[in-house]
Amino acid sequence: DGGITQSPKYLFRKEGQNVTLSCEQNLNHDAMYWYRQDPGQGLRLIYYSQIVNDFQKGDIAEGYSVSREKKESFPLTVTSAQKNPTAFYLCASSRTSGDNEQFFGPGTRLTVL
Amino acid sequence: AQKITQTQPGMFVQEKEAVTLDCTYDTSDPSYGLFWYKQPSSGEMIFLIYQGSYDQQNATEGRYSLNFQKARKSANLVISASQLGDSAMYFCAMRPPGPGAQKLVFGQGTRLTINP
Repeated sequence: DGGITQSPKYLFRKEGQNVTLSCEQNLNHDAMYWYRQDPGQGLRLIYYSQIVNDFQKGDIAEGYSVSREKKESFPLTVTSAQKNPTAFYLCASSRTSGDNEQFFGPGTRLTVL
Repeated sequence: AQKITQTQPGMFVQEKEAVTLDCTYDTSDPSYGLFWYKQPSSGEMIFLIYQGSYDQQNATEGRYSLNFQKARKSANLVISASQLGDSAMYFCAMRPPGPGAQKLVFGQGTRLTINP
């Protein structure tokens, strides 16, 4: 089955540690995205990538980093510079041409202790 | 800058009734796309329906329809014959114009509860 996988579903880290969230897709989509969701809020764009080896900052990129070395993979690193990293993180992908919906992964809930 | 407003934090509806979830948007661009997503308690985002700014007719997908009023900048989601499984958070989102990646701007969401 085609889709997006994110691992792990729940992640706990100590304050000051960097942590990397995994996102893999087998939909052959060129574009991938990372969103952050806080309780009772909508999604906010962290980073996005239109093509391999290219990525752009979204609205709340500070304290985060990404890489796009393979078409299928778009890992997100939450660095110690992120002031309030506890949140629900959602990865998505889409075709880049035309008006196409974004397909979302199941999300990773990160808790920093 | 684009902005999405969903003014209903929560809604309670009896099973089998129709429900309308409100969404207004703000943009100065003539070309944009509007999306509705459903987020169950499990957390994943499920695409429901899409409306392009130049589409002449309102979008429909099964029990979902989008009441698009361009002059009022509103894109309300209508769910007909609601079911218990429709209980979830619902998000309206807008894609700004431009080529390439389909960045989305999301509203705050509406929590819909269907009562038996």
